[in-house]
Amino acid sequence: EAGVTQFPSHSVIEKGQTVTLRCDPISGHDNLYWYRRVMGKEIKFLLHFVKESKQDESGMPNNRFLAERTGGTYSTLKVQPAELEDSGVYFCASSHNLGQGMGGYTFGSGTRLTVV
Amino acid sequence: QQQVKQSPQSLIVQKGGISIINCAYENTAFDYFPWYQQFPGKGPALLIAIRPDVSEKKEGRFTISFNKSAKQFSLHIMDSQPGDSATYFCAARGASGYALNFGKGTSLLVTP
Repeated sequence: EAGVTQFPSHSVIEKGQTVTLRCDPISGHDNLYWYRRVMGKEIKFLLHFVKESKQDESGMPNNRFLAERTGGTYSTLKVQPAELEDSGVYFCASSHNLGQGMGGYTFGSGTRLTVV
Repeated sequence: QQQVKQSPQSLIVQKGGISIINCAYENTAFDYFPWYQQFPGKGPALLIAIRPDVSEKKEGRFTISFNKSAKQFSLHIMDSQPGDSATYFCAARGASGYALNFGKGTSLLVTP
């Protein structure tokens, strides 16, 4: 089966611009997660979708970040306007159930965002 | 605050040696402890996971040791190979949760 696909793999934007990241989960996976790793720090949870509904967005840094999952398929994460501290690697993951089984999530390769 | 503390930050091991990475946590509600392996340009991939009702789990050359009373767990890579060179992340999650709390990662280099 195809894995979790993220696009673009890299993005370099200027401060103040808008960037949209996309994630295509594994087909049939209702649960979709966004995580972020800022350089030198741990990978941190941003939010969780169950189908098209936001289950938990407690990890979203501020209201410059907007995530959507229309139709319960792919998801987008928009940063508007981008700030320097938004630079990092954004990971998407998906799971069939809540990942409570020992199988856990499947992560995508990530989008490396650089804000200059 | 960081929920899971991981050490060392980096590790160099000779081929055939044992690699050991340690993690500690505070939240006693955590009940699922996975380790992820990440190669450059790829996302983290689940390597092995354990629940706190067992003290050890082994899969091939990879072993998790779990000490519930000390709130610590570790990954042991036996007979380390150059192909094991990667970044390793420990993580923890609560029974009613779904968000993983990651350590900062350990960059492992296995020299020939």
